[in-house]
Amino acid sequence: QVQLVQSGAEVKKPGASVKVSCKASGYTLTSSGISWVRQAPGQGLEWMGWISTYNGNTNYAQNLQGRVTMTTDTSANTAYMELRSLTSADTAIYYCARGGTYWDVWGQGTTVTVSS
Amino acid sequence: QSALTQPRSVSGSPGQSVTISCTGTSNDVGAYNYVSWYQHHPGKAPKFMIYDVTKRPSGVPDRFSGSKSGNTASLTISGLQPEDEADYYCCSYAGSYTFWVFGGGTKLTVL
Repeated sequence: QVQLVQSGAEVKKPGASVKVSCKASGYTLTSSGISWVRQAPGQGLEWMGWISTYNGNTNYAQNLQGRVTMTTDTSANTAYMELRSLTSADTAIYYCARGGTYWDVWGQGTTVTVSS
Repeated sequence: QSALTQPRSVSGSPGQSVTISCTGTSNDVGAYNYVSWYQHHPGKAPKFMIYDVTKRPSGVPDRFSGSKSGNTASLTISGLQPEDEADYYCCSYAGSYTFWVFGGGTKLTVL
């Protein structure tokens, strides 16, 4: 079946970087864009950005510009999200989701904890 | 503070109907028909319930419906069932600078 499978939980120190993967199965990654959405503890959902899996074009949330990079490896049917210069405010569950104007398939989420 | 305003919580008894509002501005909800709704059970991936304001994907019960008036979108759930208890989030396109904004989420309790 169509699914997105994300990499496992990460614990990082402040100032470090994290790279989360999102592997598509049951469909070809390049057929639809991928967005990344996060949820901090006790907070709502926050859209982080989108990548065209067809040509690699990206759109990022203004508050993350310069710290986030989204990429794809089409040979591996996998999308990636890297976030740099981590602070405690980046502690959250990170989701990848398939789609452009709505997101019909979501990954299971990756917990990223930033702690000294 | 989220860009779109939702009530923190709503509740209803089994079989009743509830409506969750999602208030934005003329720059997001009021400007585009790209409003979607997601059901989120804590610890699970969000589930896609409504897109393009009123459209329901296959597999979502017709008890769920969406609408919009001006800068406010709404999700109505009729014939409440215990499994509907979850957090619900609205999302709207907000133009080519901000792109996408979510509401703060509404916790639905089925009494």
